[in-house]
Amino acid sequence: EDQVTQSPEALRLQEGESSSLNCSYTVSGLRGLFWYRQDPGKGPEFLFTLYSAGEEKEKERLKATLTKKESFLHITAPKPEDSATYLCAVQVDSNYQLIWGAGTKLIIKP
Amino acid sequence: NAGVMQNPRHLVRRRGQEARLRCSPMKGHSHVYWYRQLPEEGLKFMVYLQKENIIDESGMPKERFSAEFPKEGPSILRIQQVVRGDSAAYFCASSPSRQIEGHLHFGNGTRLTVT
Repeated sequence: EDQVTQSPEALRLQEGESSSLNCSYTVSGLRGLFWYRQDPGKGPEFLFTLYSAGEEKEKERLKATLTKKESFLHITAPKPEDSATYLCAVQVDSNYQLIWGAGTKLIIKP
Repeated sequence: NAGVMQNPRHLVRRRGQEARLRCSPMKGHSHVYWYRQLPEEGLKFMVYLQKENIIDESGMPKERFSAEFPKEGPSILRIQQVVRGDSAAYFCASSPSRQIEGHLHFGNGTRLTVT
């Protein structure tokens, strides 16, 4: 069964303290992996798409990487406004549906 | 340049009543997806529609739930005879094409509470 698991469930960091969020997946054939950010009371907001192992994407303090089994979302010198829940989703070959992880709730303390 | 619009934002229904959730996709988008989210859980796919067509409803319960996306007007997710277990956040997303080469655009959801 196709599955996406995110860890940790929650992560508390001090402002400026870099860290990484993990998204591991077991799917029959990966078409794409997506990272989204979700703020409380809002819908998910797209961040990145990754298609193949070795690919990297960057946006401000965030960098997403992909291997054959997992993806990491690295956050460098985070600020309080980076606090949110980060969601990972995968799209399997020949299927438009996205399979979502439960998310990592990131809290950045000033 | 409105994004995906969902209304109402909050909906309270008593058990046995009907809930109607509306979603207007982004301009130029003809593909609509409905998701359900429970606290501490990932988004669960419910149904995928194009204008006047249901493409995939495999994630939607067979009973009490229905969805439509008419030629004119918003997409509607309808839940009949609601039960407490229907309480959740329901998100609508849209895309310009079936194959998601880019990404989905989400609305801010409707939070349904069944009392």
